[in-house]
Amino acid sequence: EIVLTQSPGTLSLSPGERATLSCRASQSVSSRYLAWFQQKPGQAPRLLVYGVSSRATGVPNRFSGSGSATNFTLTISGLEPEDFAMYYCQQYGTSPKMFGQGTKVEIK
Amino acid sequence: EVLLVESGGDLVRPGGSLRLSCAASGFIYSSYDMNWVRQAPGKGLEWISSISNSGITIYYADSVRGRFTISRDNAKNSLYLQMNSLKAEDTGVYFCARDRGPSDYWGQGTLVTVSS
Repeated sequence: EIVLTQSPGTLSLSPGERATLSCRASQSVSSRYLAWFQQKPGQAPRLLVYGVSSRATGVPNRFSGSGSATNFTLTISGLEPEDFAMYYCQQYGTSPKMFGQGTKVEIK
Repeated sequence: EVLLVESGGDLVRPGGSLRLSCAASGFIYSSYDMNWVRQAPGKGLEWISSISNSGITIYYADSVRGRFTISRDNAKNSLYLQMNSLKAEDTGVYFCARDRGPSDYWGQGTLVTVSS
């Protein structure tokens, strides 16, 4: 199975700052099947990015994904108040479709 | 509008059983694979099972294999999760999600509590 490790565990930033979230895989993720999700307390996860770098419908362009093979990044170019939340990466190319443990983006 | 609504969550004793349902609407249900994902209180997301659109291909996480069974009824636009031999560590919110490669639509979840 592919294990995903996200870092940092918590990111403390101010609105307007740039957030850089990392997701490292224990082996190469097949066919770029790497997604990022946002989750707020009491809500279901929301798909942000799939295929490493494609934004889901309705996702603002301040969210961007990049990377390849075993190293992936989600960048939020300028944090808006609604962006403070938990973020998870997931590989969906092979089962088990593991999630990373999450990065919390909190207000500094 | 795509809508997924889970039901069936409850308080159950260790060793007990529960059947979760997920009602789908707003899309051609029989064309999509489906997933179950759970989240223990205060913890991260855990993928637990997937089923192909036909119901033929099924996968499970090691943590539930042999105890949980995923199934679907395309005539009723419904997804199911039969959970047997429940343990305290199965406690959490269970989400169903449409699989378009990544899970693009999610229900709001149903809470399962395993406790004596």
